[in-house]
Amino acid sequence: KAGVTQTPRYLIKTRGQQVTLSCSPISGHRSVSWYQQTPGQGLQFLFEYFSETQRNKGNFPGRFSGRQFSNSRSEMNVSTLELGDSALYLCASSFKQGGDTQYFGPGTRLTVL
Amino acid sequence: AQSVTQPDIHITVSEGASLELRCNYSYGATPYLFWYVQSPGQGLQLLLKYFSGDTLVQGIKGFEAEFKRSQSSFNLRKPSVHWSDAAEYFCAVVTGTASKLTFGTGTRLQVTL
Repeated sequence: KAGVTQTPRYLIKTRGQQVTLSCSPISGHRSVSWYQQTPGQGLQFLFEYFSETQRNKGNFPGRFSGRQFSNSRSEMNVSTLELGDSALYLCASSFKQGGDTQYFGPGTRLTVL
Repeated sequence: AQSVTQPDIHITVSEGASLELRCNYSYGATPYLFWYVQSPGQGLQLLLKYFSGDTLVQGIKGFEAEFKRSQSSFNLRKPSVHWSDAAEYFCAVVTGTASKLTFGTGTRLQVTL
């Protein structure tokens, strides 16, 4: 069974631009979560989607948004990019919500210049 | 709020030596516990998990972890470390019905030959 895939793997943007990252979960998984990883803040939860609905959201500004499609694929969008948004963005999928194992994709490395 | 503490930021061991990485969590009830490993520039790979039952759990690559409720700990162990184990290791917890993983700050493992 194929793992979680994320596209693109690398992105370079400039301040003020917006970006969209994509995540395809493991087949059959309906929950997709997003995390931001930076050297200073570590791994932080962004949000979770299940059955096309956002179920949980972390402490990030409204510039960070996401959505999930009927095939469980998910996208996250960051508008008005700031230098501090440079990070590795990780997507994880699980079969169900709550206490279930989350499997991670390889991540998208975003650099904001 | 739940929290995870990994007190060792960096550990160096010789190849063939035993390894123990510490993890303590703060939560009123029994959480779901995980250990993930991350190689440079990569996503997170699941090593093992604890949901309930036997408090000693076996994982991939020869790793094991023991859940100790009285100490709120979930330490990761390996009897004999290989050079390929050099990576960063994260302990994480999930509580309740949310899929939000709360991560520790990670322990970077260096293996000397």
